[in-house]
Amino acid sequence: DGGITQSPKYLFRKEGQNVTLSCEQNLNHDAMYWYRQDPGQGLRLIYYSQIVNDFQKGDIAEGYSVSREKKESFPLTVTSAQKNPTAFYLCASSIQGGARETQYFGPGTRLLVL
Amino acid sequence: GNSVTQMEGPVTLSEEAFLTINCTYTATGYPSLFWYVQYPGEGLQLLLKATKADDKGSNKGFEATYRKETTSFHLEKGSVQVSDSAVYFCALSARGANNLFFGTGTRLTVIP
Repeated sequence: DGGITQSPKYLFRKEGQNVTLSCEQNLNHDAMYWYRQDPGQGLRLIYYSQIVNDFQKGDIAEGYSVSREKKESFPLTVTSAQKNPTAFYLCASSIQGGARETQYFGPGTRLLVL
Repeated sequence: GNSVTQMEGPVTLSEEAFLTINCTYTATGYPSLFWYVQYPGEGLQLLLKATKADDKGSNKGFEATYRKETTSFHLEKGSVQVSDSAVYFCALSARGANNLFFGTGTRLTVIP
């Protein structure tokens, strides 16, 4: 089955700790994205990558970092600089970047602060 | 700039009722428009899309028509079911942008 997997489903972070959220896709898509969802709000873009070894900041990149060493993987690290990390994190991918491409989403990771 | 304004919820309907969720947008150029659905505790699933004016997207009994003159993309379904209970997001993808712009979502609850 082709699709996007995210792990873990729930993640707990202690104060001052960095945590990494996994996103893997086997759709052979070039572009991948990370969004943050807060209760009662729409999704906001954190980072996106149109191709391996390249990524761009989105609207709320501060306190986050990413890497794109492989086409199928786009991990997101929530650093200690992110002061309000509690949210639902969604990874997405599309065949290519750009306005006409449909984005497909993973099941999400819920991050909670202890 | 690019933005999406969605009808505020929550919306509660009886089974077999008619559904409309309003969505209007502001965008540079001619965007593509999408409706996504999110079931409890899950990620978003693409419900339907339209890429140019007057296009109608449809899926699972849901429909939305891209109206350039009113900058709208309202979601409709003639007869809702309990299984349609979810949060619905309207989104646009604008020329020159790489991300989707989302509305705030509308929670739909269908009661038997």
